[in-house]
Amino acid sequence: DVKVTQSSRYLVKRTGEKVFLECVQDMDHENMFWYRQDPGLGLRLIYFSYDVKMKEKGDIPEGYSVSREKKERFSLILESASTNQTSMYLCASSLVRSEAFFGQGTRLTVV
Amino acid sequence: DQQVKQNSPSLSVQEGRISILNCDYTNSMFDYFLWYKKYPAEGPTFLISISSIKDKNEDGRFTVFLNKSAKHLSLHIVPSQPGDSAVYFCAASSDSNYQLIWGAGTKLIIKP
Repeated sequence: DVKVTQSSRYLVKRTGEKVFLECVQDMDHENMFWYRQDPGLGLRLIYFSYDVKMKEKGDIPEGYSVSREKKERFSLILESASTNQTSMYLCASSLVRSEAFFGQGTRLTVV
Repeated sequence: DQQVKQNSPSLSVQEGRISILNCDYTNSMFDYFLWYKKYPAEGPTFLISISSIKDKNEDGRFTVFLNKSAKHLSLHIVPSQPGDSAVYFCAASSDSNYQLIWGAGTKLIIKP
């Protein structure tokens, strides 16, 4: 059974904190993605990676960075959290040109 | 500029009837389309996909139709069940792009 696991379901952080969101997949997928979902805006791509140590900016990379040191792990970093980064964060993985599998999501609240 | 559009933010359907969710796209390079379902506080789950070489794909109660000339696809759910109440996203990709391009989602409410 395919699995994408995000390290936290719910997080509350203070403005200015550095925040790490971790994602692990067990399917040996090349591609991994970080999205945020906000009401009425659908899924917006923050960053994606198509190989270890490779990363590409998505539609809204500002205020975020990522790390992919191992194939199965893709980390999203908020360098200095702000209240407008309060959102649902979704990690996904896929083979090239196939459906993506999502983790359960992390609801981040920045206060 | 939204390349994938779901123009209905929400849709309400009686249990047992057909639900039809619509999606339009603008990029003629898209050749693979997917539908996902999302419950609150969970990640989206893959439902069904269609390649541009087909105009219909069926999986149980779910059928996706693709009209390439109109750049339009639709998801039909029949019969609709209470567990189908969720947000449905359509997504598209092209051969030149690793990314999926997502619509904004349609919230489907199945009334008992």
